[in-house]
Amino acid sequence: EAGVTQFPSHSVIEKGQTVTLRCDPISGHDNLYWYRRVMGKEIKFLLHFVKESKQDESGMPNNRFLAERTGGTYSTLKVQPAELEDSGVYFCASSQPNRDEQFFGPGTRLTVL
Amino acid sequence: GDSVTQMEGPVTLSEEAFLTINCTYTATGYPSLFWYVQYPGEGLQLLLKATKADDKGSNKGFEATYRKETTSFHLEKGSVQVSDSAVYFCAQGLGGTSYGKLTFGQGTILTVHP
Repeated sequence: EAGVTQFPSHSVIEKGQTVTLRCDPISGHDNLYWYRRVMGKEIKFLLHFVKESKQDESGMPNNRFLAERTGGTYSTLKVQPAELEDSGVYFCASSQPNRDEQFFGPGTRLTVL
Repeated sequence: GDSVTQMEGPVTLSEEAFLTINCTYTATGYPSLFWYVQYPGEGLQLLLKATKADDKGSNKGFEATYRKETTSFHLEKGSVQVSDSAVYFCAQGLGGTSYGKLTFGQGTILTVHP
């Protein structure tokens, strides 16, 4: 069974540009989460989808971040326009319904110059 | 708000040494507690978990006991190996009907030398 995959693995962009990160969860996992780790600090929650619906988006830092999960399968996280402080590693995770174990992808390392 | 605090690293040990990485949590209620590990170039993997007070999670020689009286979930291993070199994250989550977000500590880098 394939794990959670994320694309791209690395992205280097300039301030003001747009970047879109993609996450493909494990098949059958209704729950999909986005997290971010900035400069060696703690991993922070961004948002949680249940199927295509946003269950909790309390961690989204501001309106420059837009997450979608059309059709309840893969998800995208768009940052527009990117700022320097958006640099970090963005993790996606998924879990089965009513299960607390989350399976993580390898992350996308975003560098904003 | 809810938070997780784990000991700062990096931690450097010789092979076969004893490992302890401290973790404390501040969630209200009865969170589930987790240790995740990130090996170089890989995503986070669940190492072990405990869902109620006095439960002990164990895996690959690692252990952690859910201590509600001290709000702690310290990770231990009796004899570390070079292959245990990784970043370790303590986390808490509230299960029940939400099965929502995890709150992580800042991570502890462990390096084991031969």
